[in-house]
Amino acid sequence: GQQVMQIPQYQHVQEGEDFTTYCNSSTTLSNIQWYKQRPGGHPVFLIQLVKSGEVKKQKRLTFQFGEAKKNSSLHITATQTTDVGTYFCAGPKDSGYALNFGKGTSLLVTP
Amino acid sequence: NAGVTQTPKFQVLKTGQSMTLQCAQDMNHEYMSWYRQDPGMGLRLIHYSVGAGITDQGEVPNGYNVSRSTTEDFPLRLLSAAPSQTSVYFCASRQTQVMGTEAFFGQGTRLTVV
Repeated sequence: GQQVMQIPQYQHVQEGEDFTTYCNSSTTLSNIQWYKQRPGGHPVFLIQLVKSGEVKKQKRLTFQFGEAKKNSSLHITATQTTDVGTYFCAGPKDSGYALNFGKGTSLLVTP
Repeated sequence: NAGVTQTPKFQVLKTGQSMTLQCAQDMNHEYMSWYRQDPGMGLRLIHYSVGAGITDQGEVPNGYNVSRSTTEDFPLRLLSAAPSQTSVYFCASRQTQVMGTEAFFGQGTRLTVV
């Protein structure tokens, strides 16, 4: 079945450093979504990418969807302590409404 | 707007006990789902539903039952709790009128089975 792999599992950075997490799917995706989960919280939707090669920005966050629509990345420029949390990518399961989530990348930012 | 509401927030069960985790949404979403979250394992899909009367299994359905009698509610039943079911459970909903919409998550239920 369709699997979504995410690396790295953990990342520890100093405040001000950049951060990138990568997501790879075993199959072509119609779209990919990104979520953020703060420690002790629940996942919250960040963005969705649909088009091949799409790039979207949200302030210091840049999201990319690969040309083959099988991979995606989230890049944070100049991390802040408010960026701490786990970032998940998610793709549609079997072209339906269910979502398959990657295992997430946990980001720790130290001042 | 309440969004997705899960109850209880915390629960301790003894092995072999049964219980129901409640999930309700007030956004008229047709799609609802249950995930469990374990350290290093991400969010794994247990069961999901695309509308009242329709349910399907996800990645890890064993030991769990669901039903969907109304659009608003999607309870998750643990028939005979086992320590391996110690986890954080999240309910999520999405609208289905348009493909690729965001999922809204509840606050989670932290379950410990002793």
